[in-house]
Amino acid sequence: AQTVTQSQPEMSVQEAETVTLSCTYDTSESDYYLFWYKQPPSRQMILVIRQEAYKQQNATENRFSVNFQKAAKSFSLKISDSQLGDAAMYFCAYRSAWETSGSRLTFGEGTQLTVNP
Amino acid sequence: DSGVTQTPKHLITATGQRVTLRCSPRSGDLSVYWYQQSLDQGLQFLIQYYNGEERAKGNILERFSAQQFPDLHSELNLSSLELGDSALYFCASSVGAGVDYNEQFFGPGTRLTVL
Repeated sequence: AQTVTQSQPEMSVQEAETVTLSCTYDTSESDYYLFWYKQPPSRQMILVIRQEAYKQQNATENRFSVNFQKAAKSFSLKISDSQLGDAAMYFCAYRSAWETSGSRLTFGEGTQLTVNP
Repeated sequence: DSGVTQTPKHLITATGQRVTLRCSPRSGDLSVYWYQQSLDQGLQFLIQYYNGEERAKGNILERFSAQQFPDLHSELNLSSLELGDSALYFCASSVGAGVDYNEQFFGPGTRLTVL
């Protein structure tokens, strides 16, 4: 079974600064997807960014980018120019690309990000 | 707004009772997923349905059951409720269920409190 670990329960950053959230995962599969989800106080789950394991290029979405290290099974999220609206719980998630696993998401424990003005 | 609707938003009940949570997927989505978010267990996958058929099963208790109806809405039934079942229950939907990437869109969740 796959596992996802987020070793930083809490992180804080100053507004306009850059912060990196860490995530490691364990899998024996070669094809999979990785995601970062944001959960603001409203509790809504919002997809921030995704990475396909077969792609070497790191995904980028505006101020959000990832550092995907497949061999190290590491998938960190960098938030540049942090904004007050970025304050939320961030979850790293794994999805197998194998049919037999369905499309379930396996989540990490989450990192609570605080943005200080 | 993700397009996924869940009812009710909040539910307060007593131990031993049974409740039903309802989910309507986005228009055109055939897959429905149920996730539980609790302080103890974190965010975990319960079950997935695709076009009315069970597709994958996660850490779902025997006291819990789900189904997807012909109109594609889904219901999660929780019975013999225990205090530990208090959690936020999310429904998500996606177009497909195969190996290709299909983004899962999450509903706003149903907050269940068992007293």
